[in-house]
Amino acid sequence: EAGVAQSPRYKIIEKRQSVAFWCNPISGHATLYWYQQILGQGPKLLIQFQNNGVVDDSQLPKDRFSAERLKGVDSTLKIQPAKLEDSAVYLCASRRDLNTIYFGEGSWLTVV
Amino acid sequence: DQQVKQNSPSLSVQEGRISILNCDYTNSMFDYFLWYKKYPAEGPTFLISISSIKDKNEDGRFTVFLNKSAKHLSLHIVPSQPGDSAVYFCAAIESGGGADGLTFGKGTHLIIQP
Repeated sequence: EAGVAQSPRYKIIEKRQSVAFWCNPISGHATLYWYQQILGQGPKLLIQFQNNGVVDDSQLPKDRFSAERLKGVDSTLKIQPAKLEDSAVYLCASRRDLNTIYFGEGSWLTVV
Repeated sequence: DQQVKQNSPSLSVQEGRISILNCDYTNSMFDYFLWYKKYPAEGPTFLISISSIKDKNEDGRFTVFLNKSAKHLSLHIVPSQPGDSAVYFCAAIESGGGADGLTFGKGTHLIIQP
């Protein structure tokens, strides 16, 4: 089966600009996650979707981050305006069950 | 407050020997644990998991041990191979509710020496 697809792979923006990341999960996976991984840290959950509904967004900085999953398939994560501390890898993962949580290759963001 | 801790940032092991990676957790509600392996510029890849109702799970060269009373788990790799050099993340889930995202440790960089 095809894996989790993410784009773009790399993005460099200036602070206060905006950026959007796209994720296409594995077909049939109802649960989708966005994680933020800062260099030297483990991934941190930003938001969890079940189909097109939000299950958990308690750690999403809602003043600048937003995410949506229209039609319960693809998802986008947006940052506006970006800050220097948003430099990180943004990982998308999808899940069939607890034993099958698959990650994409990540979108690397550098804010200068 | 870190709920999942990997206290060894790096570990160096000779090829052919056993690699033991450790993980501690503080949240007693965690009931499912997973290990992921990550190469540079790639996403984490699932390795092995264990439910809290078990104390051991084995898959080929990989074995995970869970000690619930100590809130400790470990990943054993035997024998260690050069391709095992990567960053290993321990992750935990509190299942049973709707919000069941993974909580990760900071990772351990495993280096297999020839």
